Amino acid sequence: QIQLVESGGGVVQPGRSLRLSCEASGFTYAMHWVRQAPGKGLEWVAVISSDGSDKYYADSVKGRFTISRDNSKNTLYLQMNSLRAEDTALYYCARGDWVYGLGYWGQGTLVTVSS
Amino acid sequence: QSVLTQPPSASGTPGQRVTISCSGSSSNIGINTVNWYQQLPGTAPKLLIHSNNQRPSGVPDRFSGSKSGTSASLAISGLQSEDEADYYCAAWDDSLNGVFGGGTKLTVL
Repeated sequence: QIQLVESGGGVVQPGRSLRLSCEASGFTYAMHWVRQAPGKGLEWVAVISSDGSDKYYADSVKGRFTISRDNSKNTLYLQMNSLRAEDTALYYCARGDWVYGLGYWGQGTLVTVSS
Repeated sequence: QSVLTQPPSASGTPGQRVTISCSGSSSNIGINTVNWYQQLPGTAPKLLIHSNNQRPSGVPDRFSGSKSGTSASLAISGLQSEDEADYYCAAWDDSLNGVFGGGTKLTVL
């Protein structure tokens, strides 16, 4: 049974930082962060390859967010710096690739950026 | 404004066949495969179709996908009330970004 469990969300002031975690079983795959603002659609945030050597980011977060992974702990991270109100969203981690799809998703962790 | 364009809404009656379109460009759908996701209210997205037209294990064959040029479509036949959900297309873009459509809210009348 593949399980992805996100944590680390919360309320944070604009300009501050937050780190999200995603603990996953069956971890030897590319991993993604995808977010969904309240009442809005899905937005891809970032991807990291199975060994961590390749990372790509959405333009909206490039230079502010960093994706990383610790394969010894089966854990994916998203370090979010210089947070803005528009980063408010439910953040999902997901496993997979863009050919065979993101086949497994966590339940999400909510990040609210507000003063 | 999403890179992939979907109609915001679609509807049908039980048993009907509905299709949802997804329009992209030569940098995404035109050269890469399309995936479709279903998001039931209050839940995480679920992979419905991958590689343009392949169903993961457990997805009913009422769901089918197709791609032509820079556009793709999701078809749902024998519409059921439990199909009421948001549907998203997605593809990799050569700008090294993953891109989603804006989503289509399907209502079963």
